[in-house]
Amino acid sequence: GEQVEQRPPHLSVREGDSAVITCTYTDPNSYYFFWYKQEPGASLQLLMKVFSSTEINEGQGFTVLLNKKDKRLSLNLTAAHPGDSAAYFCAVSEDSNYQLIWGSGTKLIIKP
Amino acid sequence: ETAVFQTPNYHVTQVGNEVSFNCKQTLGHDTMYWYKQDSKKLLKIMFSYNNKQLIVNETVPRRFSPQSSDKAHLNLRIKSVEPEDSAVYLCASSQGDGNTEVFFGKGTRLTVV
Repeated sequence: GEQVEQRPPHLSVREGDSAVITCTYTDPNSYYFFWYKQEPGASLQLLMKVFSSTEINEGQGFTVLLNKKDKRLSLNLTAAHPGDSAAYFCAVSEDSNYQLIWGSGTKLIIKP
Repeated sequence: ETAVFQTPNYHVTQVGNEVSFNCKQTLGHDTMYWYKQDSKKLLKIMFSYNNKQLIVNETVPRRFSPQSSDKAHLNLRIKSVEPEDSAVYLCASSQGDGNTEVFFGKGTRLTVV
C-alpha cells in the first residue's frame, strides 16, 4: 500500500528566511495531496491542497509543488514569520481509495 | 470555528480502568474518524465510520472500540487502559470522498498512570 515519508522531522529557520518540507510517496495512482498545520495546543487545520492535475498551489505565504515524476510533494515557505511556528503534516489519497495516508510531521520553529 | 466537538479535553486514569471519549460533528459529514497522536506527534488512524459501517480498522488493540449512534456522533471506548494508551485522541470528520478537507476536533489528552 501507499507509504508516505516526510522530511525533515524538525526544522528551525530565522524570521524572514525560507523553509521547505518534503513528502515522498510510493503509489503513482495518488491523486489528492494535502498539507495540514497544527499550531501548539491546537488541532490540525487544512493549510493547502493540490490535485494531481494541477501540481501547484499558492497562498498564505506558502507554495505547494507536486512533482509526479519523482512522487514528491513539497511545502515551500518563502518568508517565515513567528505565526508559522507549528507542526506540518502532509497527507495523500488515491482517486479510488479515499483513505488518507499521513506523513510523520515536521515541527517548524521560527526564530526571531 | 470549531465544528467537531470532543469531550473531555483531558482525562487522567489508572491502568485497567475503562474510559469513553465523545465526539460530535455539526458539518453533516458522512464519515468520522478517530486518530491517535503520540508524544512525537505521529498521527495514526484508528477507526473510520461511514453510515454506521466501520470502514477502516488498523492494527488497533481489541480494548479499543468505536461507538456510533448516528452519523454525527462517534465515541471511542477503551475497555482497560494501558500505559501505552497515553496520547492525544483526535476525532475528525469529512465528506468521505478523497478530495475534501478533514476537519479535526481539539483532541482529548489521555494520561494513564
